[in-house]
Amino acid sequence: GENVEQHPSTLSVQEGDSAVIKCTYSDSASNYFPWYKQELGKRPQLIIDIRSNVGEKKDQRIAVTLNKTAKHFSLHITETQPEDSAVYFCAAIQGGGGNKLTFGTGTQLKVEL
Amino acid sequence: GAVVSQHPSRVICKSGTSVKIECRSLDFQATTMFWYRQFPKQSLMLMATSNEGSKATYEQGVEKDKFLINHASLTLSTLTVTSAHPEDSSFYICSARDQGGRTGELFFGEGSRLTVL
Repeated sequence: GENVEQHPSTLSVQEGDSAVIKCTYSDSASNYFPWYKQELGKRPQLIIDIRSNVGEKKDQRIAVTLNKTAKHFSLHITETQPEDSAVYFCAAIQGGGGNKLTFGTGTQLKVEL
Repeated sequence: GAVVSQHPSRVICKSGTSVKIECRSLDFQATTMFWYRQFPKQSLMLMATSNEGSKATYEQGVEKDKFLINHASLTLSTLTVTSAHPEDSSFYICSARDQGGRTGELFFGEGSRLTVL
């Protein structure tokens, strides 16, 4: 099955700096890669996603890049703010697996004032 | 966007009892729903795929007789934790995809925090 690895597990940045979270996946058939933000005790919220036919996607301060050849994708958050502090999960959908979503291990992002 | 509602949000039960958690898609039909379990400071782990009108598909290591899943309608899936024990205490989250939606985005319920005493 699909295996998604995520790094780093924790990330601390100063307000206004950029944050980068990286993920790798194993199944070359995976074709959809969403990123979720989860605040403590709450449901994951989709913040951005990318499909395998696109190399980069941007939405205001958030961007995602995808390298299909290397099977890795990254989340970039610019001009970080304290409210960006949360746990972020990358995920990949297994191409032939009935749309099962496999999550990365998560990154605890802390934006310090 | 589409809404998935989960109930109850919190439940505390005694060891040995059974607990039922409901997951509803409020404004779309979901032939497939997914149940995840999340332990503190860990990722979401898929437990099973719930299929409307047929048996659920369980992930390796998940006991189907302990975690009973019923998907009797296109808008409702239930997860029953039978004979719950303290090690079953966790955050359970359901999700469903709006197949008819533009993006096919996966929507999550609010989650249910189970505490087994």
